[in-house]
Amino acid sequence: GENVEQHPSTLSVQEGDSAVIKCTYSDSASNYFPWYKQELGKGPQLIIDIRSNVGEKKDQRIAVTLNKTAKHFSLHITETQPEDSAVYFCAADMDSNYQLIWGAGTKLIIKP
Amino acid sequence: DAGVIQSPRHEVTEMGQEVTLRCKPISGHDYLFWYRQTMMRGLELLIYFNNNVPIDDSGMPEDRFSAKMPNASFSTLKIQPSEPRDSAVYFCASGGASTDTQYFGPGTRLTVL
Repeated sequence: GENVEQHPSTLSVQEGDSAVIKCTYSDSASNYFPWYKQELGKGPQLIIDIRSNVGEKKDQRIAVTLNKTAKHFSLHITETQPEDSAVYFCAADMDSNYQLIWGAGTKLIIKP
Repeated sequence: DAGVIQSPRHEVTEMGQEVTLRCKPISGHDYLFWYRQTMMRGLELLIYFNNNVPIDDSGMPEDRFSAKMPNASFSTLKIQPSEPRDSAVYFCASGGASTDTQYFGPGTRLTVL
């Protein structure tokens, strides 16, 4: 079945530096790749998503890139700030049936 | 919109008791998902509904778990009898047919003693 692998599990960066989180997926039929941010005590919240007909998407300090041939996609956060500290999840749709397969999560720590 | 609403936010119960978690999806959304989150297993999809009909319940751990969606604005997840290994945060999420995005509620933290 579909599988999504996410790396690293923990990422610690200096405030102001960039952070990159990578995911790979197994189902070549996947077309939708969202990224969610989960803060302590809250539910995951969508921060950016990308579809298979686009290679890159940006929203202010965050961007997502997609390589369909290699079946991997990445989240890039530039100029990191303390409020970026959270757990980030990638996901991929399964058979385009609205069900998402989730990565294991990355705990991002921003050091002041 | 108030977003996805879940109740209770915290539940502490004793092993063997029945637990009922509640969810109100975003108005107009026709997909509803129940997830369980633990440190060991991460986010697990338990069951999801489309237009109040269960589509895939393969993630439901065992017969002690059941979920219902009697109408478009309400769903329940019931555990009977509860066991300590059921302790987790349970999330409800909803989505619309016009978008793949899932919107999560704040979760219910369940502790079974």
